[in-house]
Amino acid sequence: ILNVEQSPQSLHVQEGDSTNFTCSFPSSNFYALHWYRWETAKSPEALFVMTLNGDEKKKGRISATLNTKEGYSYLYIKGSQPEDSATYLCAFYYYSGSARQLTFGSGTQLTVLP
Amino acid sequence: EAGVVQSPRYKIIEKKQPVAFWCNPISGHNTLYWYRQNLGQGPELLIRYENEEAVDDSQLPKDRFSAERLKGVDSTLKIQPAELGDSAVYLCASSPAGDTQYFGPGTRLTVL
Repeated sequence: ILNVEQSPQSLHVQEGDSTNFTCSFPSSNFYALHWYRWETAKSPEALFVMTLNGDEKKKGRISATLNTKEGYSYLYIKGSQPEDSATYLCAFYYYSGSARQLTFGSGTQLTVLP
Repeated sequence: EAGVVQSPRYKIIEKKQPVAFWCNPISGHNTLYWYRQNLGQGPELLIRYENEEAVDDSQLPKDRFSAERLKGVDSTLKIQPAELGDSAVYLCASSPAGDTQYFGPGTRLTVL
């Protein structure tokens, strides 16, 4: 099982602030990187699927970038709103032999204060 | 389209008791996953099914955990006997082709 790190572990921002957090993963055997949002008492929800170095994805005020050579992905939220409060998880898919394996990071818990 | 259904949502048991969780994936999704998520950590894969075949159960503690996916649809995860350290959220997810996963709401297990 490979190590996937997310930072920061938690953060509080004011409504309207922009913020970003990081997912770091091994740069070898990369297959894909997924971002999920997990709101309290709800199911984790897929945000982005990123597969190519240099990928940039955007959904509303949320965007993500991917650097597979150096092993990191950034998630950005522009103009944070209270409804953005959630835990943001990244999932690293990698090749292990001929199979694909998956490891989740521990998440970044975001709280947006009104 | 109905999402992934899990039951129960919450379960409190005493240690050494058995417990079972049930998952109904999204219709047509061949891949089914069971995860355990401890407080402050990311989901940890316990077992992955492709149809009715368990293709990755390397992280499943087989002395007390068991799972089945009869007919390649619904799945159950069982713990017998439960230990204090089994307290966690147990998540089920499904996917159509082994990539993007659709999660259920999870079962929060408390072992006293």
